[in-house]
Amino acid sequence: GAVVSQHPSRVICKSGTSVKIECRSLDFQATTMFWYRQFPKKSLMLMATSNEGSKATYEQGVEKDKFLINHASLTLSTLTVTSAHPEDSSFYICSARGDWNGYTFGSGTRLTVV
Amino acid sequence: GENVGLHLPTLSVQEGDNSIINCAYSNSASDYFIWYKQESGKGPQFIIDIRSNMDKRQGQRVTVLLNKTVKHLSLQIAATQPGDSAVYFCAEQTGANNLFFGTGTRLTVIP
Repeated sequence: GAVVSQHPSRVICKSGTSVKIECRSLDFQATTMFWYRQFPKKSLMLMATSNEGSKATYEQGVEKDKFLINHASLTLSTLTVTSAHPEDSSFYICSARGDWNGYTFGSGTRLTVV
Repeated sequence: GENVGLHLPTLSVQEGDNSIINCAYSNSASDYFIWYKQESGKGPQFIIDIRSNMDKRQGQRVTVLLNKTVKHLSLQIAATQPGDSAVYFCAEQTGANNLFFGTGTRLTVIP
């Protein structure tokens, strides 16, 4: 089956630093990748949609300069949280969509900014 | 995003009983719905999906019902097991790509 690998699973960083999260489709080509943010006991909120080779489309209220998304290949998308602050602490989840139109999710990244 | 919500935030069932988790959606134009299971600290796991041209779809121990008239979706789990304990989300697809999630229901199975 389709597998999406998300790395790291947990990261702790100091306030003001940047953190990069990787999302890889291991056995399929992902035409589109999605980034979600999830607060404790809350639902997944779509942050942005990215297509390989083009700029990401951000949802309303999501700062594109804060959350940099790069989708350089059909198997890799990265989310960089720039100048992280404690309020950016959250669970970030990526998903990838292949040509069968199904969605496969990564295992998530727990970001803690101290 | 779309208003996809759930009636009950928590649900407790006895092991072996059937579970029913409900979801309401607001966009009558949505044509694809998915149920996901999420365990603590993990990403969502696909359970079952349904398209709007169907009313019912069955999988292994799970059934999804779609009522387009009242914009309601439900997930039925037969013979609920402890391993079914998790948070369940319905998700609604709008347009070509975007998938929006409901608020989630935490299912607790009592042994």
